[in-house]
Formats: sequence, C-alpha cells, structure tokens
Amino acid sequence: NAGVTQTPKFRVLKTGQSMTLLCAQDMNHEYMYWYRQDPGMGLRLIHYSVGEGTTAKGEVPDGYNVSRLKKQNFLLGLESAAPSQTSVYFCASSYIVRETPTDTQYFGPGTRLTVL
Amino acid sequence: AQSVTQLGSHVSVSEGALVLLRCNYSSSVPPYLFWYVQYPNQGLQLLLKYTSAATLVKGINGFEAEFKKSETSFHLTKPSAHMSDAAEYFCAVSEFTGGGNKLTFGTGTQLKVEL
Repeated sequence: NAGVTQTPKFRVLKTGQSMTLLCAQDMNHEYMYWYRQDPGMGLRLIHYSVGEGTTAKGEVPDGYNVSRLKKQNFLLGLESAAPSQTSVYFCASSYIVRETPTDTQYFGPGTRLTVL
Repeated sequence: AQSVTQLGSHVSVSEGALVLLRCNYSSSVPPYLFWYVQYPNQGLQLLLKYTSAATLVKGINGFEAEFKKSETSFHLTKPSAHMSDAAEYFCAVSEFTGGGNKLTFGTGTQLKVEL
C-alpha cells in the first residue's frame, strides 16, 4: 500500500511555463485535495474533488486548474507559472465514513516548486 | 468562518522536558479539531483528533490534547520530549460542507528538542 504519492518531488520553472502535478492514491478514497504550504501561513486549500469527474474551488484557486478523470488520480495544473506560485504543494485524500468533519485526511510527501 | 491560532511559531525544549504546543480555535459550531505533525521533507501525519467523544484525546508517539470549551483551546502536550519529536506541528479545524472535509490549518509551530 503506497498511500498517497506525488510526482514530481521537485521542479523548477520559468515564469510563463506550464506544468502538471500528479497525485495518486491507492486507498480507494472518494475525496482528494490540493494544498499549498508557504512559510508562516500553514496549508491553504487550492482545489478539491468529492469524486471522479467532479472538482471544486478551495481558498486559493486562482492560477490553478484541476482534473479528476480517474478516482485514484488528481491532477493540478499551472497554465502560466508565476513567482508567487513558488511553494510546496501537498495532495491529500480521505475516505467517507459518515460524511462527518472527523474523517481523516492522508497526505502525500509534497512537491517543491520554484518559479523563477 | 472557523479558524485556529497557534501561539508561538518556534518552541524549544530540552530532551525529557514537558512539551506544550498551544492552539486556540474560533468556531460558531462545535468544532472538530486535529493535530498533524510534519517531519522534515515529509508530508503531514495525523497525531490525534477531537471528535467530541472525550475531551482528553490520546494520539500517537505519546502525545495527547485536551479540549477545553471554556478556553476555546486544544493544546498539545507530551510529558517527556524526545529528540525524534523535533518537527513542525499544525493544529487544524474541520468543517464538512457536503463538499468534503475542509481543514483550516494554523500557521504551525516548529518544535526543537535540545540535549
């Protein structure tokens, strides 16, 4: 059981370039999330998905797009990278027990992105 | 909107000493609270969570937290610090809106353990 995996681990982009971050989970979780982590700001939710084919905006969605074509994968895209998107990106997933706020989120190891 | 505040971005303790990491919450409804730990260059791992079943919650690695409604607090403690506890700790509050379990995180507390 690999849990939640993220690809790539590190990436350096130039301003204006595009890229896609891949998140995969093998726990058959319904819900998946993308966060960004910045120093002194904790983690902030970018986008999330409640199931295959569905996505929704989180707290800081601007400049990002997502897709959930398969239940086990959640992709985060940057169409035109900006230096303000330099951050560490974490993917998470969670199962549904009773659709309560106590469901645990399981996190991937993160992707460190630098935009020059 | 729900929020959490972590007092102290950096905490330093000696090995064997008490660990106390502070978290206060703001919520208009009964909160569901979590503590996560992040070791260097790793993702977040759940330490414990408050689900209203008991005010004193025990987690992994000897950590526990007590929910105090009167103080709107959910502080994390460990009686005796170990070098392996050095990490960043995040308090979070959860809200389920039918669109998933949305976590709002605090800004984190970096714990340093010294010999």
